[in-house]
Amino acid sequence: EAQVTQNPRYLITVTGKKLTVTCSQNMNHEYMSWYRQDPGLGLRQIYYSMNVEVTDKGDVPEGYKVSRKEKRNFPLILESPSPNQTSLYFCASQLHGASSGELFFGEGSRLTVL
Amino acid sequence: AQSVTQPDIHITVSEGASLELRCNYSYGATPYLFWYVQSPGQGLQLLLKYFSGDTLVQGIKGFEAEFKRSQSSFNLRKPSVHWSDAAEYFCAVGNNAGNMLTFGGGTRLMVKP
Repeated sequence: EAQVTQNPRYLITVTGKKLTVTCSQNMNHEYMSWYRQDPGLGLRQIYYSMNVEVTDKGDVPEGYKVSRKEKRNFPLILESPSPNQTSLYFCASQLHGASSGELFFGEGSRLTVL
Repeated sequence: AQSVTQPDIHITVSEGASLELRCNYSYGATPYLFWYVQSPGQGLQLLLKYFSGDTLVQGIKGFEAEFKRSQSSFNLRKPSVHWSDAAEYFCAVGNNAGNMLTFGGGTRLMVKP
């Protein structure tokens, strides 16, 4: 089954404790992206990757890192999480680019930073 | 920079009534436009998209949207709402480079029996 898989789905952590949210897709998509969703703000793009070893900042990259060493994986790293990073995070992928067609989303990872 | 505005944060309609959700975008060139739906606890699912051509596009679940360049709008419509349509709806605009998809703040739809 074609899917985007995120882990963990739920996480409660404390300020400053490094964490990684993994994202994996099995559709051989070139484009992958991370969004955060906050009430009233919709989804805001954090980082995206057009292909392996090619990553770039979205609209709200501060406090986050990403890597794209393999086509299928696109982890989101919070080196020193802060409470303002409490949010619902979505990973998404598409064959060629965000505007090329349907963006396939994972089920989301709800992160709480205390 | 591109942006999307969804003026209505919440909308409540009666089951069987018609629906229109508003979306206004800002983008310097011909936009790629999308509507996504998010059911509670789920990711987003594409309802429909506009790239070019006919300005009235049909989507899944009986939804349609009309692109009006003069008004910078891409409103979503459905002639008869079902209780299962209760969800949050997001309008989005994509750039020509294909690297950015910008979402509006969303409209939460509630359906009264």
